[in-house]
Amino acid sequence: GDSVTQMEGPVTLSEEAFLTINCTYTATGYPSLFWYVQYPGEGLQLLLKATKADDKGSNKGFEATYRKETTSFHLEKGSVQVSDSAVYFCALSDSNQFYFGTGTSLTVIP
Amino acid sequence: DAGVIQSPRHEVTEMGQEVTLRCKPISGHNSLFWYRQTMMRGLELLIYFNNNVPIDDSGMPEDRFSAKMPNASFSTLKIQPSEPRDSAVYFCASSGLTGTGFVYGYTFGSGTRLTVV
Repeated sequence: GDSVTQMEGPVTLSEEAFLTINCTYTATGYPSLFWYVQYPGEGLQLLLKATKADDKGSNKGFEATYRKETTSFHLEKGSVQVSDSAVYFCALSDSNQFYFGTGTSLTVIP
Repeated sequence: DAGVIQSPRHEVTEMGQEVTLRCKPISGHNSLFWYRQTMMRGLELLIYFNNNVPIDDSGMPEDRFSAKMPNASFSTLKIQPSEPRDSAVYFCASSGLTGTGFVYGYTFGSGTRLTVV
């Protein structure tokens, strides 16, 4: 079945460091791929998405490129801020369901 | 757009009591999902509805859990009787689904934090 595997956390970075959170997927069809972010005490919010191979999703300085050849959708940001501290979830959808990864906790320290 | 609205935001109840969580999906969305989030298990899909009909309830942990969607604008998740291990944050999400099976607008509510003592 479809599934998403993402990098185990927690991740701790200094402000302005480069961020990569790895995500790989397994799907039988041609899924859409997503990154969601969950700030403390809140629900999950859509951060970015890509709907087909080679698409790049971007938002708030975060980027992820849909790589069909490596079945990956890694999240990157060139310079993280303290306000980026949150839990990040990779997800895919190729039908009426979403499949979420287990989440990666990011803490950015000043 | 008010988004997905869940109530209450916080619920504290005693073991054995009935708990009802409520969700109002985004208008026009025809799919609704209930999730449970804990530190131990992460985010778990409990049940989802399409056009008010339960499609997959395989994630519902026990018969103590039940969910209904009497109309397109309202859903409930009920736990009866509640137990301390049910303590978690419960999220509702809704999405649209096109005729060709394309999911759009998948949006979460702010969640209900349930504590069973």
